Formats: sequence, C-alpha cells, structure tokens
Amino acid sequence: DQQVKQNSPSLSVQEGRISILNCDYTNSMFDYFLWYKKYPAEGPTFLISISSIKDKNEDGRFTVFLNKSAKHLSLHIVPSQPGDSAVYFCAARDAGGTSYGKLTFGQGTILTVHP
Amino acid sequence: DTGVSQNPRHKITKRGQNVTFRCDPISEHNRLYWYRQTLGQGPEFLTYFQNEAQLEKSRLLSDRFSAERPKGSFSTLEIQRTEQGDSAMYLCASSLSHGFEKLFFGSGTQLSVL
Repeated sequence: DQQVKQNSPSLSVQEGRISILNCDYTNSMFDYFLWYKKYPAEGPTFLISISSIKDKNEDGRFTVFLNKSAKHLSLHIVPSQPGDSAVYFCAARDAGGTSYGKLTFGQGTILTVHP
Repeated sequence: DTGVSQNPRHKITKRGQNVTFRCDPISEHNRLYWYRQTLGQGPEFLTYFQNEAQLEKSRLLSDRFSAERPKGSFSTLEIQRTEQGDSAMYLCASSLSHGFEKLFFGSGTQLSVL
C-alpha cells in the first residue's frame, strides 16, 4: 500500500513562474513531512520540512503547505529556475517510529523548468 | 565534511552470487540508514543503526540481507544468493540524532542482477 503518493509523475514550467508539486498521504500517524530533491547520479538532498502542528513553512523560494484534514501537502517554488529541474520526493515520518530518519517516500515528480 | 561515500557505484552480478556494499557516513554522524530505490519509485527504508547497534529492520530486509556497522563507523550491506528482484539502487544516509534528523544521502550503489 502506497502511504505517500505523488500522483503527477512530471511537471513542466517556464522559468520565473511558480512550480507546485503535490503529495497525498493516507497514514494519520505521520507527524513530520519533508521534501527531497534528487539530481541524476546523486543521492536525494533535503530541501524543506514541516511539522504536523504547522500548516506552512517557508525557506527562500520554497514554501511547503500542509492540509491535515485533506492529508495533502504541496511544495511551491517561486520563482522557478532551470537549476530546480530535478526529481522531487515527498516523504513522511510515522509518529510511532523510532527515528526521524525512517521515512516513507512518495514515487517522485520530475520537475523540468524551461528557460 | 566529505559527505556520505558509497562503494562501489555500480555492481553487476549473476543470480545466486553474494554482493557486499560499503557506506562511509559523515564522520560525526551516529545514525546510519540503508534505503533501496527501484525505477519509478521513491526510496524504501531497509534498516538503521545508532552507533553500532542495529535498531530497526524493515520487513523488506529478508534473511538474505544483512547489515553491519562495526565500531559505529562505516557500514556494510550484504546480499546473499542474489535474485533479479534485488536489482535496485541501494542508498545509504547518515544523520545526527538530536532533534530533527536531517538525512544526508550518498550517491548510491546501483545493483544489477543478471
């Protein structure tokens, strides 16, 4: 069962515009959510996170929104840059887990930002 | 800080052979994780260590898989009697263990079982 789902395999946006990547989850016990970015031939890199007690977290061009009632989170990138082109993974931590590092990942969304 | 290092980067083996991967975490990190990623999927948790103690293992880690972290430094992941379904990218990550644990991933070892 896929507890974290990213239903859009890919997203294409123009440079300077907003990129919105979406993620849905099913496990009510998830208490911490993260976004990772992955370039080809590299491991995932942490981007931004949000605790379940918040509904928004911002870091520069990146903002993550959490809607607990809908079990939905989204990552907004404004403005998008060609260097943002990568695979983006949504991940979640189970509150009953033993470590913040044990994460459940979504399938990923390939973001392409065109100049 | 040289990051998380994984060796080898690529491994091709025949079905039934044993393989071993190595991970060198960031030196001051006491937590180490192994994840597996197949094509079109996100990473899946396999196991993690705090120092030398293996604290949790996923159901994905069958008895053909074994991981060690002697002396709480580098870690090895061994797969015995490899099967074609073991073909995947094996990712190692490390972190500190206070507060929110920001995982630092290595570039992975790509295993192909023929």
